[in-house]
Amino acid sequence: RKEVEQDPGPFNVPEGATVAFNCTYSNSASQSFFWYRQDCRKEPKLLMSVYSSGNEDGRFTAQLNRASQYISLLIRDSKLSDSATYLCVEPDSWGKLQFGAGTQVVVTP
Amino acid sequence: NAGVTQTPKFQVLKTGQSMTLQCAQDMNHNSMYWYRQDPGMGLRLIYYSASEGTTDKGEVPNGYNVSRLNKREFSLRLESAAPSQTSVYFCASRLAGDHGELFFGEGSRLTVL
Repeated sequence: RKEVEQDPGPFNVPEGATVAFNCTYSNSASQSFFWYRQDCRKEPKLLMSVYSSGNEDGRFTAQLNRASQYISLLIRDSKLSDSATYLCVEPDSWGKLQFGAGTQVVVTP
Repeated sequence: NAGVTQTPKFQVLKTGQSMTLQCAQDMNHNSMYWYRQDPGMGLRLIYYSASEGTTDKGEVPNGYNVSRLNKREFSLRLESAAPSQTSVYFCASRLAGDHGELFFGEGSRLTVL
């Protein structure tokens, strides 16, 4: 079983709307997570780090729910440029990073 | 800053041929990684190097070898390419520790016929 699970989507979102999706993880001891963004045929790039309960950066909010072992990403006021695949990442105890398969978001005009 | 540089960006091989993917970073990072990405499967770790002089297997190491030539360079070698190794390969580096951001190269698209 993959340790980091994501809904592959796609999530089709009208421009200006809000979209949220989750990522579940299996290691209850994990302290930090990352959200990466990957555009089509490009390399992943860091979007946000998630420590303790969560993090907010402009229109993006990431939250960590330790009891249920998931993290979420919420995008407010979606822009066409937000269309991408969002990868959830969990560091393991040895410094390796476990990637989810990604959630595709498509923002439509 | 160049960041993480991978070569080649595209390569077509025949089954059984060998090749080496090169990766270099100029950020003085300690840790370097090789991932492959296949549709619907996300990024899977092939090998990583926590520091100069050390390498360790990741999730899918079979059919690959690596060399951490120095702190800057981490190469991935396919000794006898197979069609199952058709994929997009990403090299990445990070400083160290749980909170270090992972920086990726632009990827190398490999097709094995």
